[in-house]
Amino acid sequence: EPEVTQTPSHQVTQMGQEVILRCVPISNHLYFYWYRQILGQKVEFLVSFYNNEISEKSEIFDDQFSVERPDGSNFTLKIRSTKLEDSAMYFCASSEAQRGNQPQHFGDGTRLSIL
Amino acid sequence: GESVGLHLPTLSVQEGDNSIINCAYSNSASDYFIWYKQESGKGPQFIIDIRSNMDKRQGQRVTVLLNKTVKHLSLQIAATQPGDSAVYFCAENLGAGGTSYGKLTFGQGTILTVHP
Repeated sequence: EPEVTQTPSHQVTQMGQEVILRCVPISNHLYFYWYRQILGQKVEFLVSFYNNEISEKSEIFDDQFSVERPDGSNFTLKIRSTKLEDSAMYFCASSEAQRGNQPQHFGDGTRLSIL
Repeated sequence: GESVGLHLPTLSVQEGDNSIINCAYSNSASDYFIWYKQESGKGPQFIIDIRSNMDKRQGQRVTVLLNKTVKHLSLQIAATQPGDSAVYFCAENLGAGGTSYGKLTFGQGTILTVHP
């Protein structure tokens, strides 16, 4: 069964450094998302992306965050200058359709630890 | 209401029992709902979805019930097995009629523990 894959599984970074989290969505999906989950808390939406543009972003997704689809298979989340509070699990998801027609399928996440 | 932090609702059942996990969703305009299962160290795994024009949908061993009047969603798992032990999240989306572009809003989660 096709799945969303994320790398690395664990990223440890010094505060203030840039980090790039990588995702390979399911191949026939057109809509891509990033979510994060702070330990013990709910999964929170960060951003949705379609046709090489951000469709929607949350308040968490400030100027320090950016997303990119650099080629036909990868989808990346960049945090420019990491803060301690960016420590969380980051999940990538993809779906065939965007608005309530098909479910989003999630990868197993990247655990980001900021020191 | 919502809670933040480590104190998730928990449900403990014996293997073979039926489990019911409940969720109160927040937005009356939401018209698409999904249940996810999250095992330790893994991402949310799709279980079943339901659109607001339905009040019940069945899958393999799972049934989702939707009560729009009270904004309540439930997941029923039949003949629960130890492999069903996980955290279960409901998620809502504004669907095709809303202005939200696919954003899922997750509930707080329920820890299901199945004892052999």
